[in-house]
Amino acid sequence: DAKTTQPPSMDCAEGRAANLPCNHSTISGNEYVYWYRQIHSQGPQYIIHGLKNNETNEMASLIITEDRKSSTLILPHATLRDTAVYYCIVCNSGNTPLVFGKGTRLSVIA
Amino acid sequence: DAGVTQSPTHLIKTRGQQVTLRCSPKSGHDTVSWYQQALGQGPQFIFQYYEEEERQRGNFPDRFSGHQFPNYSSELNVNALLLGDSALYLCASRKDPGGGGHGYTFGSGTRLTVV
Repeated sequence: DAKTTQPPSMDCAEGRAANLPCNHSTISGNEYVYWYRQIHSQGPQYIIHGLKNNETNEMASLIITEDRKSSTLILPHATLRDTAVYYCIVCNSGNTPLVFGKGTRLSVIA
Repeated sequence: DAGVTQSPTHLIKTRGQQVTLRCSPKSGHDTVSWYQQALGQGPQFIFQYYEEEERQRGNFPDRFSGHQFPNYSSELNVNALLLGDSALYLCASRKDPGGGGHGYTFGSGTRLTVV
């Protein structure tokens, strides 16, 4: 079973920041937080990951709380092409397979 | 640089039949994982292949089997198809030892419909 809890859906206005929350209260010390997204009719795509520090790349920013029990994925300027299902996944650094929950369906509205 | 290629893209089978789905990993990748995604659900892990061996397996019955070839491509076989096997089947590849949850590249999947 997935070790994360996410809201089933969210809306965001185009050009605004999209903030997607994730709860992972049972995360272990050696587990990372990963975010993937799945655009309609495509396979999941890696976005970003982190252990305890905040992370930023060209796609998004990841904010992890100090107790590591929750995190937020931030898309700074959402576009219509960011409409997708976003999955928050907790995974260690070994060969443990990705365990997907139902994710959050983000709709970016013009 | 080609990503993960899956074939066929769509398939319709009759209950009780057998099906084979194929996956060519991204260039340079040697590990292949298969996932089943039912409508409205997240992908569920079926199994992972590395060095032509099944390395890990999810909670799927023995009707689901696989194979990895020396060129790292892989097949997923499902026997005695049930209506509940209708789903999108995703293949993901990465370079081992990748470690962690990044480095996976997913294909666009095969949509299997069992009637």
